[in-house]
Amino acid sequence: GQNIDQPTEMTATEGAIVQINCTYQTSGFNGLFWYQQHAGEAPTFLSYNVLDGLEEKGRFSSFLSRSKGYSYLLLKELQMKDSASYLCAVRDSNYQLIWGAGTKLIIKP
Amino acid sequence: ETGVTQTPRHLVMGMTNKKSLKCEQHLGHNAMYWYKQSAKKPLELMFVYNFKEQTENNSVPSRFSPECPNSSHLFLHLHTLQPEDSALYLCASSQQREGHETQYFGPGTRLLVL
Repeated sequence: GQNIDQPTEMTATEGAIVQINCTYQTSGFNGLFWYQQHAGEAPTFLSYNVLDGLEEKGRFSSFLSRSKGYSYLLLKELQMKDSASYLCAVRDSNYQLIWGAGTKLIIKP
Repeated sequence: ETGVTQTPRHLVMGMTNKKSLKCEQHLGHNAMYWYKQSAKKPLELMFVYNFKEQTENNSVPSRFSPECPNSSHLFLHLHTLQPEDSALYLCASSQQREGHETQYFGPGTRLLVL
């Protein structure tokens, strides 16, 4: 079967750095997405990786290793507004999105 | 604001009621999706419409009935629901093509079935 694994919950301190991991087992691979979802709001697109390596976008970076079936989202200089759930999703060989259950990130002052 | 709107934002209904959820996208996309999001579970894809044609129906019970009158509007008709159908229902849209295609989500309808 197809599976996406992410930690259920993480806690970090304002101003610090946090890394949210995502591992996947899918039938084929056509890209990996990270979304941010604040409570009661729509998931919003953060990043897309299809080749190995690091993609940087301001305070957020996303890394992909296709051989390891592994990605991470790195958040720097954490702010209270970064408290949200972070969803990892992989597009498989049929171009279907397979979703993880999300990681709830709690930022403490 | 993602360009995808959903109404109502909250809905409480009894098991014998009939209600409809509405989604509208203002992004000029050609594909629209219904997802179910339950607490601590992955997003569950329910239906996909591409150019108004249904291309996916992931074994969804017939008490959920989608309708896509045009590429900008999507409805989910609800009838005789069960308490386990209580969840957040998310609509999304995208411009379908092979390669990088991002889905844009609406804020969802929080549904409670009593």
